[in-house]
Amino acid sequence: DTTVKQNPRYKLARVGKPVNLICSQTMNHDTMYWYQKKPNQAPKLLLFYYDKILNREADTFEKFQSSRPNNSFCSLYIGSAGLEYSAMYLCASSRDRDISSYEQYFGPGTRLTVL
Amino acid sequence: GQQVQQSPASLVLQEGENAELQCNFSSTATRLQWFYQHPGGRLVSLFYNPSGTKHTGRLTSTTVTNERRGSLHISSSQTTDSGTYFCAINMGYKLTFGTGTSLLVDP
Repeated sequence: DTTVKQNPRYKLARVGKPVNLICSQTMNHDTMYWYQKKPNQAPKLLLFYYDKILNREADTFEKFQSSRPNNSFCSLYIGSAGLEYSAMYLCASSRDRDISSYEQYFGPGTRLTVL
Repeated sequence: GQQVQQSPASLVLQEGENAELQCNFSSTATRLQWFYQHPGGRLVSLFYNPSGTKHTGRLTSTTVTNERRGSLHISSSQTTDSGTYFCAINMGYKLTFGTGTSLLVDP
């Protein structure tokens, strides 16, 4: 089973309110990623977990948080949503962080709309 | 500058026509992956192709790593092929995506 699952599929949030998105995989992958995808733009890596170690991209460091309570689950947390957070959020996983050797598998995405 | 460039940006075909999508990248990547994004947003991996040529059904992926380019060939296009196609390369620990080719296949 190479399925990555995401919940919810659609999320409506108010400006200033927190948002929590969930991702899960049962492939026992070491690495889990979160990407942001806006219309007509390439997916952008926000952060990834390698095992229990969180790595956040420098340009989005303060905007997103994440937790990984166990190997299967990973969340993406926005403390105070702004209009600019409206996007599709894609979760992915891979067997190892060495993506030169291992493929990334993507979930169906969560479409977040902030009003 | 942009590290992964895709061309064309958009393409319109009549059903049955073939398409060739190009991907050029500016670093020495060791892996190239092609994705298809459904109109609803889901990203599906089509090919994980470090080098050479791979076939799946009507799709063919060719990667020439030392020339920093890849291509995706769609033969006998169908309306269900409509959507956005992304190529992505590994750069260190992450995938870097191109901006995509938007394909519309008319009946």
